[in-house]
Amino acid sequence: DAGITQSPRHKVTETGTPVTLRCHQTENHRYMYWYRQDPGHGLRLIHYSYGVKDTDKGEVSDGYSVSRSKTEDFLLTLESATSSQTSVYFCAISGLAGLNNEQFFGPGTRLTVL
Amino acid sequence: DQQVKQNSPSLSVQEGRISILNCDYTNSMFDYFLWYKKYPAEGPTFLISISSIKDKNEDGRFTVFLNKSAKHLSLHIVPSQPGDSAVYFCAALTQKLSSGSARQLTFGSGTQLTVLP
Repeated sequence: DAGITQSPRHKVTETGTPVTLRCHQTENHRYMYWYRQDPGHGLRLIHYSYGVKDTDKGEVSDGYSVSRSKTEDFLLTLESATSSQTSVYFCAISGLAGLNNEQFFGPGTRLTVL
Repeated sequence: DQQVKQNSPSLSVQEGRISILNCDYTNSMFDYFLWYKKYPAEGPTFLISISSIKDKNEDGRFTVFLNKSAKHLSLHIVPSQPGDSAVYFCAALTQKLSSGSARQLTFGSGTQLTVLP
């Protein structure tokens, strides 16, 4: 157990509303990542963080923003949700003790945008 | 254009037999490869990995083989057990991302393994 939680686990929202997903870790990993999983695509990187207040874009960042004000929390925000953002979102962490290969994933958040 | 491909969406094997899951990649800059296992409604769980400087890594019932010249890796599970039934993702690490030494995982689309009792 890598000590990573996500909240909420499920959310249904309407098009145009803002949504924030939270990832929380308890083990002081340096790197945190947000991925989305869609059928036929595996997992794709949205944004990542390499330290407090240090974030950058991934492969599918359009329509998403992130923030990391504390080591343990990484927030993913959909400013105005669209139906194409219906997906399962996974947070991942890595970088404990200087190791940065294996990433450990949270349980996921299933988001439905109607 | 998918840089990591798992061409078999599903695989069924009998309990006790060998399961072989395959993965192909196109990016020669990948230097580390991982396999993840995923049960429904859970996050992916790290299973086994291999560095590009090796051609084999073994951990109990799980062995990963890497053929760099063919840009191909495979996961062998021997013997297969019903609890191994899950989706298996192949993933590859790029060199460092542009910021802060973070590394991007590129995933295949997954293979659903079903082990029949």
